Amino acid sequence: KAGVTQTPRYLIKTRGQQVTLSCSPISGHRSVSWYQQTPGQGLQFLFEYFSETQRNKGNFPGRFSGRQFSNSRSEMNVSTLELGDSALYLCASSLGTRGDTQYFGPGTRLTVL
Amino acid sequence: DAKTTQPPSMDCAEGRAANLPCNHSTISGNEYVYWYRQIHSQGPQYIIHGLKNNETNEMASLIITEDRKSSTLILPHATLRDTAVYYCIVRVAKGGSEKLVFGKGMKLTVNP
Repeated sequence: KAGVTQTPRYLIKTRGQQVTLSCSPISGHRSVSWYQQTPGQGLQFLFEYFSETQRNKGNFPGRFSGRQFSNSRSEMNVSTLELGDSALYLCASSLGTRGDTQYFGPGTRLTVL
Repeated sequence: DAKTTQPPSMDCAEGRAANLPCNHSTISGNEYVYWYRQIHSQGPQYIIHGLKNNETNEMASLIITEDRKSSTLILPHATLRDTAVYYCIVRVAKGGSEKLVFGKGMKLTVNP
């Protein structure tokens, strides 16, 4: 079974731009969670989607948003990029029952100049 | 979710068993212990999880103390590819939040 895939793998943007990242979960998985990883803050939870609805949200500003499609694929969007948004963005999928094991994708490395 | 404590780093010789400790003294009765690892700049890889009984899979063994306040992840024959940051996480597995709370983890270096 194919794992979690994320596109693109690398991205360079400038301050003020917006960016959209994509995540395709493992086949049959209905929950997608997003995390941000930076050297200073480590791995931090952004939000989780299940059945096209945001089910849980971390402590990030409204510039960070996401959505999930009927096929469980998910996108996250960051508007008005700041230098501090440079990070590895990871998505993880699980079957969907709360507490199921999450499996991570390879991540998207975003650099904001 | 309960907090975990891991040493910041550990070295291990290739071919030897690597025993990675984790303290979780405030763990609740319905919280599981999960282990993930992250090889540099890749996504975290799920290793194993358990509630109270010892668990083993093709990657590792997990030993949880009887009082559940600590656990040890065992890599039976460490290889250079096991060099990574290992995260010990406790979370409610059934009915809990999808949010994984990662600490700083422990850097395992396997030396030739």
